[in-house]
Amino acid sequence: GAVVSQHPSRVICKSGTSVKIECRSLDFQATTMFWYRQFPKQSLMLMATSNEGSKATYEQGVEKDKFLINHASLTLSTLTVTSAHPEDSSFYICSARKVDTEAFFGQGTRLTVV
Amino acid sequence: AQSVTQLDSHVSVSEGTPVLLRCNYSSSYSPSLFWYVQHPNKGLQLLLKYTSAATLVKGINGFEAEFKKSETSFHLTKPSAHMSDAAEYFCVVSVRSGNTPLVFGKGTRLSVIA
Repeated sequence: GAVVSQHPSRVICKSGTSVKIECRSLDFQATTMFWYRQFPKQSLMLMATSNEGSKATYEQGVEKDKFLINHASLTLSTLTVTSAHPEDSSFYICSARKVDTEAFFGQGTRLTVV
Repeated sequence: AQSVTQLDSHVSVSEGTPVLLRCNYSSSYSPSLFWYVQHPNKGLQLLLKYTSAATLVKGINGFEAEFKKSETSFHLTKPSAHMSDAAEYFCVVSVRSGNTPLVFGKGTRLSVIA
């Protein structure tokens, strides 16, 4: 099956700094990738849809200036958490989908802001 | 609009007994339906998917699910639970065509008692 690689798997950063998370589709071209956030013991909440070569589409309530998404190529999307604060600590997961098939998920990134 | 309702937030079974995790969906279009499993602090793994072929879908690790359009259900079952099945399970729906994001249920935590 298709593989989506997400990096880093775990990151600890100081409050006020920025963190970049990468999501790569390793063996297929993904024109669209999705970024999810998961709070402890909760389900995945869609944050934004990342479209190659155009601006991301953010879900209601997600701050686009805080969560910067760039989809510069057909195999790479990045999520940058800017000026991170402790409340941004969470599990972030990306996914990429081939048309009419299931989504393939990255391994997730555990972000801890101290 | 699409939505998924997982009827039980927590299910507890004894090892060797059957597992039933319930899921009902709502979709304006012909849906694709998936079950994903998530072990603690891990990413998501696809268990099985329904995309308009056979209504009884067999997945990995002995799991299966039956798509019942009349009941708008897609319940997940396994004849005999194993300790390693303890995890969080998500029922997911998607519009079949296009690069649309997946909509997640709230999840069901499965506990397996020795």
